[in-house]
Amino acid sequence: AQSVTQLGSHVSVSEGALVLLRCNYSSSVPPYLFWYVQYPNQGLQLLLKYTTGATLVKGINGFEAEFKKSETSFHLTKPSAHMSDAAEYFCAVSGNRDDKIIFGKGTRLHILP
Amino acid sequence: DAGVIQSPRHEVTEMGQEVTLRCKPISGHNSLFWYRQTMMRGLELLIYFNNNVPIDDSGMPEDRFSAKMPNASFSTLKIQPSEPRDSAVYFCASRRDMNTEAFFGQGTRLTVV
Repeated sequence: AQSVTQLGSHVSVSEGALVLLRCNYSSSVPPYLFWYVQYPNQGLQLLLKYTTGATLVKGINGFEAEFKKSETSFHLTKPSAHMSDAAEYFCAVSGNRDDKIIFGKGTRLHILP
Repeated sequence: DAGVIQSPRHEVTEMGQEVTLRCKPISGHNSLFWYRQTMMRGLELLIYFNNNVPIDDSGMPEDRFSAKMPNASFSTLKIQPSEPRDSAVYFCASRRDMNTEAFFGQGTRLTVV
């Protein structure tokens, strides 16, 4: 069974500051990991994913995440926040034995001018 | 491809009425998911299909909820009878296979009064 924990339902950062959104997962099989972003009144859009290979994954809009198996983490970072990054971010996990994708409860990112 | 298409985008109905939500997945995708999003519970997986067959419906809240996938290009989620606590945004998503991401529709915002 898989599960995801996102620390912090709300995170505020200043424009230009580092963005760090935390995600820890639990999986009984090698995980596939995803970060999605949701803007108001829209569906979820993929930011980046880890399936196999390189553990540092780069995504759209300057975001990246690092898979750390020893820490069961997949934290999302961006060096410099932009006002357009204000949205809700979801971490998700699935396994290599079935198609189920389980989402965390989400973190709402606020960007302060 | 037009992406995952959901209809209607908004639905307002009276308690006790039947509600049917519709989804057209991306052509060639083998798995289809129905999620429900609320402030309290976040993004919950209700049911998913693989090759049109329901695989896991453990997230369906009650017998009032049912889902079908009669063919590879169409799925429905039905609530009968509807209750105010069913008010939420319902998302459909599809996925080609296990090591790829899921693509989401725009969602159906359901309000039961």
